[in-house]
Amino acid sequence: EAQVTQNPRYLITVTGKKLTVTCSQNMNHEYMSWYRQDPGLGLRQIYYSMNVEVTDKGDVPEGYKVSRKEKRNFPLILESPSPNQTSLYFCASSFTTSGGTTDTQYFGPGTRLTVL
Amino acid sequence: AQSVTQPDIHITVSEGASLELRCNYSYGATPYLFWYVQSPGQGLQLLLKYFSGDTLVQGFKGFEAEFKRSQSSFNLRKPSVHWSDAAEYFCAVGEGGSYIPTFGRGTSLIVHP
Repeated sequence: EAQVTQNPRYLITVTGKKLTVTCSQNMNHEYMSWYRQDPGLGLRQIYYSMNVEVTDKGDVPEGYKVSRKEKRNFPLILESPSPNQTSLYFCASSFTTSGGTTDTQYFGPGTRLTVL
Repeated sequence: AQSVTQPDIHITVSEGASLELRCNYSYGATPYLFWYVQSPGQGLQLLLKYFSGDTLVQGFKGFEAEFKRSQSSFNLRKPSVHWSDAAEYFCAVGEGGSYIPTFGRGTSLIVHP
């Protein structure tokens, strides 16, 4: 089954304690991205990756890091989480179009993060 | 930069009634347009998309959307809503040469029996 998986699904942590949210896809997509979803703000992209070892900032990258060492995995790292990073996080993957943008994105189930 | 406006935060309809969710975008050339649906506690799932060609596109669950360049709109419609359609709906736009798609803030659909 084609899917994007994320772990953990729920996480409660404290300010400053480093954490990693994993993301994996089995569709051989070259493009992967991370979003955060906050009430009234829709989805905002944090980082994206065009392929292995190629990453770039999205709209709200501050306080986050990513890496892409393998095509299927794209972990999100919060080195020193703060309460304003409490949010619902989604990983997504897709192919890209000949026009130079993303095609249909396939989303993971989400990770609800609370930073105390 | 592109932007997407979904002017309705909430829409309430009765089961069996017709539905139209509005989406307006700001972009100069032909955009890549998407509608996604998010059921409670789940990730987003594609309903339909428009890249080029026929401006009326069909999606699953009986949804359709029409691209109107003159109005910069991509409204989502369904002739008869089912209770299972209650969800959050997001319009999104992609721009050629940009790999940062823009999402609207979403419209929450409430269906009354």
